[in-house]
Amino acid sequence: DAGVIQSPRHEVTEMGQEVTLRCKPISGHNSLFWYRQTMMRGLELLIYFNNNVPIDDSGMPEDRFSAKMPNASFSTLKIQPSEPRDSAVYFCASRGFSYEQYFGPGTRLTVT
Amino acid sequence: AQSVTQLGSHVSVSEGALVLLRCNYSSSVPPYLFWYVQYPNQGLQLLLKYTTGATLVKGINGFEAEFKKSETSFHLTKPSAHMSDAAEYFCAVSQYNNNDMRFGAGTRLTVKP
Repeated sequence: DAGVIQSPRHEVTEMGQEVTLRCKPISGHNSLFWYRQTMMRGLELLIYFNNNVPIDDSGMPEDRFSAKMPNASFSTLKIQPSEPRDSAVYFCASRGFSYEQYFGPGTRLTVT
Repeated sequence: AQSVTQLGSHVSVSEGALVLLRCNYSSSVPPYLFWYVQYPNQGLQLLLKYTTGATLVKGINGFEAEFKKSETSFHLTKPSAHMSDAAEYFCAVSQYNNNDMRFGAGTRLTVKP
């Protein structure tokens, strides 16, 4: 099993640019989660999908953030425009019929 | 809503010593409890979980945790620390009827030679 796959692993961009983070969940998992991790705020849930449908996006910081899941094997998190305070590690996780979530390796985003 | 409190943001032990990482939870319904480990520049990896049944659960790398309902606790232990155990550890809680998993702030474990 390949596990949760995220790309890119590292992203450096300038303020104002659009950033797209990608995630491929584990095959057969029906729930997908996007988290952000920073030193100041720890691990924060941004949004989660169940069967490709967004269920709870209350953690999305503001309208600059958007997430999609067009099919069961792919999701994106987009930031437009990006700001320096968006610098963080972004994790994708997926869950099947058991209760635990499986995390990807993360994308380290730096906005200069 | 459920929540988790991890006591101690940093714990330091000597190699071979007992590891004890504390976690207390709050939940209005029977909780599901988890411990995850995060090594530098990696994602979170599941160590162990409690859902139902036996309250003492064993995980990977020699770790175990005990669910104590009366104390609302789920502390993580390992009898003898190894240098490779140095990492950040997260306790998490969820409920059977939703996908919402709440994580604690994490405890950074340092193992001294």
